[in-house]
Amino acid sequence: DIVMTQSPDSLAVSLGERATISCKSSQSVLYSPNNKNYLAWYQQKAGQPPKLLIYWASTRESGVPDRFSGSVSGTDFTLTISSLQAEDVAVYYCQQYYTSPFTFGGGTKVEIK
Amino acid sequence: QITLKESGPTLVKPTQTLTLTCTFSGFSVSTSGVGVGWIRQPPGKALEWLALIYWNDDKRYSPSLKSRLTITKDTSKNQVVLTVTNMDPVDTATYYCAHSPYDFLIGPLYYFDYWGQGTLVTVSS
Repeated sequence: DIVMTQSPDSLAVSLGERATISCKSSQSVLYSPNNKNYLAWYQQKAGQPPKLLIYWASTRESGVPDRFSGSVSGTDFTLTISSLQAEDVAVYYCQQYYTSPFTFGGGTKVEIK
Repeated sequence: QITLKESGPTLVKPTQTLTLTCTFSGFSVSTSGVGVGWIRQPPGKALEWLALIYWNDDKRYSPSLKSRLTITKDTSKNQVVLTVTNMDPVDTATYYCAHSPYDFLIGPLYYFDYWGQGTLVTVSS
């Protein structure tokens, strides 16, 4: 199984500041024929289901604010919230969809400092 | 507008079989490219993918749970059903169903773009 390791477990960021969440896959999720990384990010607010934010590691889902961005370097993935808003308080999960089982990271809780 | 809703028992006893139903609207599971999956989340813990079924009846299961899972679809009712046998207290979780997109150039995309609200299932005697 591909293990997805997120860090940190939690972070507190001031309103308007940048939040950076990391996700590392235990093996590559890059499919060479199409040069795509099979990595998605979700946001889960308290008491709600997850919401898809990003797929293909860096493509924002329709309607997702552009303060959310995804990037990749090898097997290291990053979700960045450029200017944290109060409504961004949530737990964020990465998920690889390269190969079964389609595994999620352990989650990163983002709070307001 | 795509919506999904899970239904089923909130409490099951150890060794019993759990049957959950996902009823959806805004798409049909008979339409080419449609996929519906199940994901669960124990209280305070991370997400775990369980199973997926596609319009052509292609099915995928989590290898660690495959022997206990069955996913089926009822096209006429716009429903997908998940059964989990031999339930144990460690299976206590919120169970979500979700729509999975498909790309006709690439194939199934095993992420989830629309989710139901989830249903909490507790396993206890």
